[in-house]
Amino acid sequence: EIVLTQSPGTLSLSPGERATLSCRASQSVSSSYLGWYQQKPGQAPRLLIYGASSRATGIPDRFSGSGSGTDFTLTISSLEPEDFAIYYCHQYGSSPRTFGGGTKVEIK
Amino acid sequence: QVQFVQSGAEVEKPGASVKVSCKSSGYTFTTYTIHWVRQAPGQRVEWMGWISVGNGDTRYSQKFQGRVTITRDTSASTAYMELFSLRSDDTAVYYCARSEEGRHLDYWGQGTLVTVFS
Repeated sequence: EIVLTQSPGTLSLSPGERATLSCRASQSVSSSYLGWYQQKPGQAPRLLIYGASSRATGIPDRFSGSGSGTDFTLTISSLEPEDFAIYYCHQYGSSPRTFGGGTKVEIK
Repeated sequence: QVQFVQSGAEVEKPGASVKVSCKSSGYTFTTYTIHWVRQAPGQRVEWMGWISVGNGDTRYSQKFQGRVTITRDTSASTAYMELFSLRSDDTAVYYCARSEEGRHLDYWGQGTLVTVFS
C-alpha cells in the first residue's frame, strides 16, 4: 500500500502568514489522485483539493495544491482565523486508499 | 444539498458486532459509490471499503476483509457498515463518504462513535 508521510507534524503560525504543508508518497500516486482535507475538532473532514490541484466547490482561493508523482504540497497563502485545524492528504489512485498522518496548523 | 446522516453512538462488548447506517439525501443515491472510513484516537484515518450503490459491488481493505460487510438499501437511500468480532482497538469514529467511481471523497457523514470495552 502507498504510505503518505506529512510534514511538519505541527506548524505554528500567525494569522496572515503563509502555510506550506508537504505530503510525500512511498510510491507514485496514479493520475495525481491526491486530495487534501481540513478537519476541525468534532467535525468530519472537509474536502479542500482533489486531483492534486483542483479546488473543491466553495473553497477560497487562498488554498492551493500542487505536485505530482510522490511529492505534493498544500499552500494557504494567508491564514485566516478559521484555517487553524488539522490537514490530511489522501491518495485514491491505488487500493487500498490511504491517508497521511496529518499536519496541525496552530496559532503561534 | 448533499447530506449524510449517520446513526448514533454505539457501545459494544468485545466479540460483538455493530451496524452503522448512513442515510443520504440531496442527490441520486444510485449514481455514486459510498465508502466507509474510520478514525481511531491517535491513529491515521483508515479506509475500510466501498460499495457501488448502483450494482451493489463491494471492495474491502485487506485489513478488514472477512470482518466487515457493506450493504445498501436503495429504496431508503441508506448504506450500512457492519463490523464483526469487535476488539478494543476498533474503538473509533466511523464515517461514510461519497465518491464518483474511483474518485475523491467529496461529502462525508457526521461520524458515528463506536466504543468497544468490557
